Amino acid sequence: DGGITQSPKYLFRKEGQNVTLSCEQNLNHDAMYWYRQDPGQGLRLIYYSQIVNDFQKGDIAEGYSVSREKKESFPLTVTSAQKNPTAFYLCASSIATSARGDTQYFGPGTRLTVL
Amino acid sequence: AQTVTQSQPEMSVQEAETVTLSCTYDTSENNYYLFWYKQPPSRQMILVIRQEAYKQQNATENRFSVNFQKAAKSFSLKISDSQLGDTAMYFCAFWPRFGAGTRLTVKP
Repeated sequence: DGGITQSPKYLFRKEGQNVTLSCEQNLNHDAMYWYRQDPGQGLRLIYYSQIVNDFQKGDIAEGYSVSREKKESFPLTVTSAQKNPTAFYLCASSIATSARGDTQYFGPGTRLTVL
Repeated sequence: AQTVTQSQPEMSVQEAETVTLSCTYDTSENNYYLFWYKQPPSRQMILVIRQEAYKQQNATENRFSVNFQKAAKSFSLKISDSQLGDTAMYFCAFWPRFGAGTRLTVKP
């Protein structure tokens, strides 16, 4: 079955530690995205990538880093510089005709808690 | 940059009835795309409906339809014959912006 997988579902991190969230897709989509979701707020874009080896910052990129070495994979690292990392993180992908016009397909999300 | 506003944090509807969720946005662009996404309790977001701004006709997907008023910058979602499975958070989106969401509960 085609889709997007995110792992782990729940992640706990101690303050001061970096942690990497995994996102994999087998939809053959060119574009991938990372969002953060906090209670009472909509999704906020962290980073997106429309092609391998290229990515752009979204609205809240500070304290996060990404890589796009393979079309299928777009891991997100939450660094110790992120002041309030506890949140629900969603990964998405799209065909990438146009990031603004494409339907995005979402993964099941990762809940990150900083202890 | 564009903004997206959903003014109804929570709504409820009886099963089989119709409900309308509101969304307004702000942009200076003429051609753009608008979306409604659904996030059920499982938290996996899925597309409900997509509208291209240059198309005059309102998008429809089965029981879901939109009322797109370009001049008023309004993009409301109508759910007809509501079902229990429609219970979810609904987000209006004008990429890369998402509204804060409306929590819809369908009551039996």
